[in-house]
Amino acid sequence: GAGVSQSPSNKVTEKGKDVELRCDPISGHTALYWYRQSLGQGLEFLIYFQGNSAPDKSGLPSDRFSAERTGGSVSTLTIQRTQQEDSAVYLCASSFDAINEKLFFGSGTQLSVL
Amino acid sequence: ILNVEQSPQSLHVQEGDSTNFTCSFPSSNFYALHWYRWETAKSPEALFVMTLNGDEKKKGRISATLNTKEGYSYLYIKGSQPEDSATYLCALPGTASKLTFGTGTRLQVTL
Repeated sequence: GAGVSQSPSNKVTEKGKDVELRCDPISGHTALYWYRQSLGQGLEFLIYFQGNSAPDKSGLPSDRFSAERTGGSVSTLTIQRTQQEDSAVYLCASSFDAINEKLFFGSGTQLSVL
Repeated sequence: ILNVEQSPQSLHVQEGDSTNFTCSFPSSNFYALHWYRWETAKSPEALFVMTLNGDEKKKGRISATLNTKEGYSYLYIKGSQPEDSATYLCALPGTASKLTFGTGTRLQVTL
């Protein structure tokens, strides 16, 4: 596609439910990042993929969070047993080169946990 | 943990003013520095990626400089316009290419 695509754009869920967020990066981009922005906060790193592998998962807040990437393309971020503190905008970004090339961001998923 | 600091936290200028803000980072193990603009209700958009000490980049009225030896980068906006209102973020890759963002400088330009 022309840009990084994320779905859904908005998700409202009840506390305790599982949610799955999807990111479709720009074709050919090997590096893929997940970030989140909670209300009033900056960009918080969650996880980074190079191809299908995740060299750095240090940002995942708890074991309720997991992510995978298949075929070097689409990535899904899964949050199990959602909590109210999980409410945030989840942003995905992709790049040809994680260091020297700029990131292209998707429009994000606004997650609200009631 | 890579410590990326930005100052000031926020800035309010009048249309036509020129302004600048700072991104500070550890000078050791430098790989690259990214600048992004993040407008409200939109996604962050890349401005520059800088890799060499002394680098200067320019895009329209916005320019940036890089000093890797002392660990800082400046972003300059000449003749600010209301459409420049946004949060400006810098980011650096650390170990395992994890791109760490600063907390940003929020710029508001009024008429």
